[in-house]
Amino acid sequence: EDKVVQSPLSLVVHEGDTVTLNCSYEVTNFRSLLWYKQEKKAPTFLFMLTSSGIEKKSGRLSSILDKKELSSILNITATQTGDSAIYLCAVGMNTGNQFYFGTGTSLTVIP
Amino acid sequence: GAVVSQHPSWVICKSGTSVKIECRSLDFQATTMFWYRQFPKQSLMLMATSNEGSKATYEQGVEKDKFLINHASLTLSTLTVTSAHPEDSSFYICSARDRLAPYSGANVLTFGAGSRLTVL
Repeated sequence: EDKVVQSPLSLVVHEGDTVTLNCSYEVTNFRSLLWYKQEKKAPTFLFMLTSSGIEKKSGRLSSILDKKELSSILNITATQTGDSAIYLCAVGMNTGNQFYFGTGTSLTVIP
Repeated sequence: GAVVSQHPSWVICKSGTSVKIECRSLDFQATTMFWYRQFPKQSLMLMATSNEGSKATYEQGVEKDKFLINHASLTLSTLTVTSAHPEDSSFYICSARDRLAPYSGANVLTFGAGSRLTVL
């Protein structure tokens, strides 16, 4: 059975801290791994990773995929209260085009 | 960029009634749309993959007679929750992929804003 697991499930940090969120997967026919941020309604796209070892960066956020370890991490440096959200990773398949989401990490950044 | 419209954004209904949720791709064609369900503070659970012109593919444990999916055109998929019960109360969200767009970035999945269903 395909599985996508994120850790930790929830995290509370102070503004300015750096956080690392993990996503591990066990799927057949892996195609891509996506990271999303969800605040209130629709998730907003952060990164898409297909190749191992290549870091993607956007401002204070960065992410990297390790296909050998079947995992990805999302780093957020100098966290701000606006980073408080649920962070979701999703794995896309080559067959069927499905995207399976991980368990999510709820991040709370306190002033 | 690609936009997906989901309607209604919230609905309250009585137990035993049916509710239809629409998901439209506004400026692109989507041969495949996905329906997810989300409980409070939890992740998105894939319910089914909706394929234009054919039957939806349901995930294990999702009752196809309970959650009817129709994908009659390249821009519209509907989810009907039949004979709704309080345990069906949830946030339902659809997503779609532009079949003509490169498989990259935000093109991969475009989400609707979601529909919050409350069954009394």
